[in-house]
Amino acid sequence: GAGVSQSPSNKVTEKGKDVELRCDPISGHTALYWYRQSLGQGLEFLIYFQGNSAPDKSGLPSDRFSAERTGGSVSTLTIQRTQQEDSAVYLCASSLSGQPTDTQYFGPGTRLTVL
Amino acid sequence: RKEVEQDPGPFNVPEGATVAFNCTYSNSASQSFFWYRQDCRKEPKLLMSVYSSGNEDGRFTAQLNRASQYISLLIRDSKLSDSATYLCVVNSYSSASKIIFGSGTRLSIRP
Repeated sequence: GAGVSQSPSNKVTEKGKDVELRCDPISGHTALYWYRQSLGQGLEFLIYFQGNSAPDKSGLPSDRFSAERTGGSVSTLTIQRTQQEDSAVYLCASSLSGQPTDTQYFGPGTRLTVL
Repeated sequence: RKEVEQDPGPFNVPEGATVAFNCTYSNSASQSFFWYRQDCRKEPKLLMSVYSSGNEDGRFTAQLNRASQYISLLIRDSKLSDSATYLCVVNSYSSASKIIFGSGTRLSIRP
């Protein structure tokens, strides 16, 4: 079956511009996560959506970052007024129900470069 | 101190060798543990969950030591295709933000 998909795969933008990153989770998965991975680093948690519950936004690094999930499926991560330090790979993952023992399935990521 | 720490490596071992690496965690309330594998410029994929009693999947064995707060991964008869970065993941159950990924251990298998 189809896995997690993300678009675009690569995004190059100029400092100060806004960007939108999209994630399509696996159909039927209620939990969705966004992470950021800088070169040679581990994954940094950004935000978590579970069903209709309020999202856990505790990992968002600044108020320039926001995310929404429409209809419990597709999610969009928006970065406003991008900075060079925002350059990273943004990974989305979904899991069946958000249980701690659930496997997270990752998308291929969006590589963001801010010039 | 980081919540989850891994030796970054790289571990460079010959094909057929046995290699092991550990991951230490600081939160004693941590409840679930995983090893993920990440190939260069690819997304992480689950390798195996780590159970309290230890578990084995083919050439891979994972162990959990709660007293010393570390998990380990042992790879026997290593293959060239095992070359990757191995990420340790620790979950304290309290919230999604407490799913902590280690920075990874790079493994390179040489012919």
